[in-house]
Amino acid sequence: EVQLVQSGAEVKKPGESLKISCKGSGYSFTSYWIGWVRQMPGKGLEWMGIIYPGDSDTRYSPSFQGQVTISADKSISTAYLQWSSLKASDTAMYYCARRGGPGFCFDYWGQGTLVTVSS
Amino acid sequence: DIQMTQSPSTLSASVGDRVTITCRASQSISSWLAWYQQKPGKAPKLLIYKASSLESGVPSRFSGSGSGTEFTLTISSLQPDDFATYYCQSLGTFGGGTKVEIK
Repeated sequence: EVQLVQSGAEVKKPGESLKISCKGSGYSFTSYWIGWVRQMPGKGLEWMGIIYPGDSDTRYSPSFQGQVTISADKSISTAYLQWSSLKASDTAMYYCARRGGPGFCFDYWGQGTLVTVSS
Repeated sequence: DIQMTQSPSTLSASVGDRVTITCRASQSISSWLAWYQQKPGKAPKLLIYKASSLESGVPSRFSGSGSGTEFTLTISSLQPDDFATYYCQSLGTFGGGTKVEIK
């Protein structure tokens, strides 16, 4: 069974750093792209970026380029999303998802990680 | 960047109604379009990929059509479990979402 399990909720202060994780299981982790999607409170879905764990090829949405870093450790089947200096506006739910099958769609999703940034 | 525009943003309907949601791309995306359903507090769920292919396990009352720049998601007979928000997505962009509410 394909599963993506994300790390737990985080409460941080502005300016702090953070790295959240997404562990894949039940499939060949190195053979599928993993994407990250942001959902701010009460808002829609935003495509942040995507990584191919097989060779760490990474693509970012222009809106998120330079704001976050996406990485992966294929030895432990885990993808990461990190911030070097959080802002209050980073408060959101973050989902990881596997890009599988035809059509660039996300067929399996993690349960989400809620990040709250508040002083 | 490709922009995806969904309409309407909110839709009020009754159980049994036929519902259609539209998604327009700012440039041709061939058939590279997916539709998702999201319920409050839950991760999105893939319904349709490549514009018209039904994901395994998704009820057949859901269907997708279109190519190029205009696409539709149709629910042939709305069920109580279908009240949710629906998003289209192509490549690196999601549409703004359509909330389907009870009339």
